[in-house]
Formats: sequence, C-alpha cells, structure tokens
Amino acid sequence: GAVVSQHPSRVICKSGTSVKIECRSLDFQATTMFWYRQFPKQSLMLMATSNEGSKATYEQGVEKDKFLINHASLTLSTLTVTSAHPEDSSFYICSAATDSGQVVETQYFGPGTRLLVL
Amino acid sequence: AQSVTQLGSHVSVSEGALVLLRCNYSSSVPPYLFWYVQYPNQGLQLLLKYTSAATLVKGINGFEAEFKKSETSFHLTKPSAHMSDAAEYFCAVSEFSGANNLFFGTGTRLTVIP
Repeated sequence: GAVVSQHPSRVICKSGTSVKIECRSLDFQATTMFWYRQFPKQSLMLMATSNEGSKATYEQGVEKDKFLINHASLTLSTLTVTSAHPEDSSFYICSAATDSGQVVETQYFGPGTRLLVL
Repeated sequence: AQSVTQLGSHVSVSEGALVLLRCNYSSSVPPYLFWYVQYPNQGLQLLLKYTSAATLVKGINGFEAEFKKSETSFHLTKPSAHMSDAAEYFCAVSEFSGANNLFFGTGTRLTVIP
C-alpha cells in the first residue's frame, strides 16, 4: 500500500516553455502533498506544502508564480514550472500523506521527475 | 534551526559485513528523526523513525538506529549487509510532531561488494 506515482519520470523542454508534473496517490487519499527539489549531490529541499482544496504554502525563497501547485483532489497534485529556464533543471520529488488533525505521520514519496531545460 | 549532516556520501561494505551510516542532527527542540532508503528509479521508502519513545529503533529489512542525545546522532546500522541493501540512504529531522516538516541530509550511497 501507500504508493505514490509521478508523471512524467523525465522531461526535456525548451527554455521559456511550461512543464506540468503530476503526483498521484494510488491507493490512499492524501490530505497533504509536498513538493521537493533535489540538486545533484544535495539534499531534498522542500518547495511547498499543499492541502486538498487550499492554496499551497511555499517555503521561503520559492517563487509561487514560477512554481504553480494545484491540489484539486485527494489523489492528485500538480506542479507546473512556468517559463522554465536552464537553472530550473533539477529532480522534482513529491510526497503524499494523510494527517491526523494537523499531524502528518508518514510521508510517502514518489519516484521523482527529472527536468532538463535546454 | 534544524539541520542534518550525513558523513560520507559513499560507503562500501562487503556482503555480510556490518553496515554503519552516520547521521548527526542539529535541532533546537527534541527532534523527530527518520531514515529513508531510495532504490534506483523508486521513491523514498521509510526505513524507521524515532519519535521520542525508545532510543533504539528497529526498522524494516533488519536495519536499526540509535538516538544518542549527547552525541546528537542517529546512526543507521545493520549487522550483515546484503546485496539488496545497495541504495541511497537519507537521514531526516523534524522539529514538529510527526513528519510535517522534514529536513533531509545529502544522502549516503551504499555499495555492497560481493
């Protein structure tokens, strides 16, 4: 149980275009989803937290107009990188969780999406 | 502020040998600590977590970790490495109850030599 998928697994796009990444919880309903970014040889950095039906909460330094997050249902969250540039090239990882009140017990992670912007 | 340091980006052990992956944390409050494993092309999988109960935590696949407050450490061990243990391991800390805000280390890649 607790499987999270991401699509696509890798994407190459031209500079200036927008890219949408999907994160799905396949066998449970996720009240909370998280989006991370990982640069080579660096740790996962939390970008934003989203709750179903609410606006995402972005971490300091993350441009909310650049990285659009939509959590429209309990099984799907999307991250759209708008007007992508080469410096946006990275590994994007989502996780999904159910919470007890406001406490997330465990995050279940997707396999990640590698984005390369040319 | 909280942070995690994983000493050694790469660790190699022989099959059957002891596995020791190091993790030191910094936290202004009693932390919650986690170890995750990532196999190639898969998502991070929770190995074990410390949530202020027993200091020695047992996880899946024979792994365990000991919380040592005096050393601010949460090292991951396994008595006997198996080829299937080859993966990337991440230590993470949270200052909040549960796993709401995880701060990750940079990861340690474990290679098991036959």
